[in-house]
Amino acid sequence: NAGVTQTPKFQVLKTGQSMTLQCAQDMNHEYMSWYRQDPGMGLRLIHYSVGAGITDQGEVPNGYNVSRSTTEDFPLRLLSAAPSQTSVYFCASSYSVASVPYEQYFGPGTRLTVT
Amino acid sequence: AQKVTQAQTEISVVEKEDVTLDCVYETRDTTYYLFWYKQPPSGELVFLIRRNSFDEQNEISGRYSWNFQKSTSSFNFTITASQVVDSAVYFCALSEGGGSEKLVFGKGMKLTVNP
Repeated sequence: NAGVTQTPKFQVLKTGQSMTLQCAQDMNHEYMSWYRQDPGMGLRLIHYSVGAGITDQGEVPNGYNVSRSTTEDFPLRLLSAAPSQTSVYFCASSYSVASVPYEQYFGPGTRLTVT
Repeated sequence: AQKVTQAQTEISVVEKEDVTLDCVYETRDTTYYLFWYKQPPSGELVFLIRRNSFDEQNEISGRYSWNFQKSTSSFNFTITASQVVDSAVYFCALSEGGGSEKLVFGKGMKLTVNP
């Protein structure tokens, strides 16, 4: 199993550009999420999905879109990049059993710089 | 609302010292789950432990131990006889479960173990 994969690993964007961060998992997990990590802020939830076709907003959703057309993939779209979106982005997947959440498996991260 | 506080932002110890990382949480739910993750300098996030709110038994895994106290809303992590490889950022996180696997993270604590 590859686990959770993210592409690209690094990206530099100019203000106003758009792009999609890719995330895929091969563990058949129903739950996937995107976090951003900023210095001194921990990880903050951007968007999450509890299954194909179902997404919802997290703590910091503004400026980002997601969709979940398959169980495996959960791309994150930056609509119009801003310097405030410079961050490290982590995708994660997990599962639950009888509503009991298990650990989240994280991808390696994407380091995004917006100039 | 859920909240996780890691009051210590950075700790530096000498190898073989014991070190305790504090985590205090807030939640209105009676069912919740607590996690610790490690982020070594390489950047990946590594799951360490999950504890549910009904199980206050302390846990030991090798040099790692966890002390969960509902009375003080704390879930502290102790590393005994620290080693240089323990140098990392450690995150405490909270999930309310019930089908919600959303994690709320603390801001993290950077541990440096010096030889």
